[in-house]
Amino acid sequence: RKEVEQDPGPFNVPEGATVAFNCTYSNSASQSFFWYRQDCRKEPKLLMSVYSSGNEDGRFTAQLNRASQYISLLIRDSKLSDSATYLCVVNYDYKLSFGAGTTVTVRA
Amino acid sequence: GAVVSQHPSRVICKSGTSVKIECRSLDFQATTMFWYRQFPKQSLMLMATSNEGSKATYEQGVEKDKFLINHASLTLSTLTVTSAHPEDSSFYICSAWAQETQYFGPGTRLLVL
Repeated sequence: RKEVEQDPGPFNVPEGATVAFNCTYSNSASQSFFWYRQDCRKEPKLLMSVYSSGNEDGRFTAQLNRASQYISLLIRDSKLSDSATYLCVVNYDYKLSFGAGTTVTVRA
Repeated sequence: GAVVSQHPSRVICKSGTSVKIECRSLDFQATTMFWYRQFPKQSLMLMATSNEGSKATYEQGVEKDKFLINHASLTLSTLTVTSAHPEDSSFYICSAWAQETQYFGPGTRLLVL
């Protein structure tokens, strides 16, 4: 079983739409959680950390359910520039485990 | 955020040669750095943890004699792919923790012919 599993998508949405996707993780002792964004042939860049209480950063909302070991990301009012692969990342003891990524394509 | 650089950004080499990749933390010190590999359409896989002044810790299945890691200073770690073969062609990325966040270098795309 993979440590982090994500819906690979792709999600093809029009500009202005809301898109949501999630991931699950296997290590219940995981300590911190992140969403990273990776553009084609580039390195991952931190989008946001994810907290148990849920958190929002502009158009992005992340949720964490430790009991179900489930993390979600919601993007509101999608922009063309949101097109990317979104990586669900879980930290245990300063080692990160990555999901394979969810591909989002926003069309005009 | 913190800045991590990598050099070279891409390299093409012949089978059997060795390739050295440098990873630098530019505005912070990193006693620990991480090396990842990413094949097309796959997730990043941790290869090894580079520790300043001591031996690297390798993940299961990663050959330490093939992927030599040196972390000689608090701002530089190097990964040498020895006797590279076409199956070693991949995207190699380093990273380091700063302010409770892991920052990634821009990656090195290696193509072994």
